[in-house]
Amino acid sequence: GAVVSQHPSRVICKSGTSVKIECRSLDFQATTMFWYRQFPKQSLMLMATSNEGSKATYEQGVEKDKFLINHASLTLSTLTVTSAHPEDSSFYICSALPGTLDQPQHFGDGTRLSIL
Amino acid sequence: KQEVTQIPAALSVPEGENLVLNCSFTDSAIYNLQWFRQDPGKGLTSLLLIQSSQREQTSGRLNASLDKSSGRSTLYIAASQPGDSATYLCAPGGRLTFGSGTQLTVLP
Repeated sequence: GAVVSQHPSRVICKSGTSVKIECRSLDFQATTMFWYRQFPKQSLMLMATSNEGSKATYEQGVEKDKFLINHASLTLSTLTVTSAHPEDSSFYICSALPGTLDQPQHFGDGTRLSIL
Repeated sequence: KQEVTQIPAALSVPEGENLVLNCSFTDSAIYNLQWFRQDPGKGLTSLLLIQSSQREQTSGRLNASLDKSSGRSTLYIAASQPGDSATYLCAPGGRLTFGSGTQLTVLP
């Protein structure tokens, strides 16, 4: 149980393209979903927290107009990297929380984004 | 702001050794602490979750302890195997903050 599906697993696109990444909780409802970014040989950095039906909360330094997050249902959150540039190339990982913050977060397998 | 430190940054051991990975954090107001492993280029695999009211959790050859008041957690791996080679991350939470990880290599 507690499976989180993240799609696509890898995407390569040209500079200026917008890219959408989906995060789905397959067998549970996620009250909250989180989006992380990981640069090579570094740890995960929280980008934003999203709750179903409300605006996402972004961490300091994360451009909300660059990284659009939509949490349209209790099983789906999307991250859209708008007008992507090479510096946006990174590993993006989502996680889903089935209830309150004392419960474990369940992680997707990540999306490797490469902007040419 | 929560800061998480993991020591050592890298560790190389022969197969069969018991080993301890250390994690320290600055803000003890946490709901829980999770340990994960990450293989190169992959996502996270959850290993253990310790609630803030607990002192330790065990799963197979893994044992994690938590001393919330001192801001410390350890992950003990018994009888290490080459398949244990990965980066191990600790993350105190609910709203998780990740350490930079310990890169473990177990030599056959």
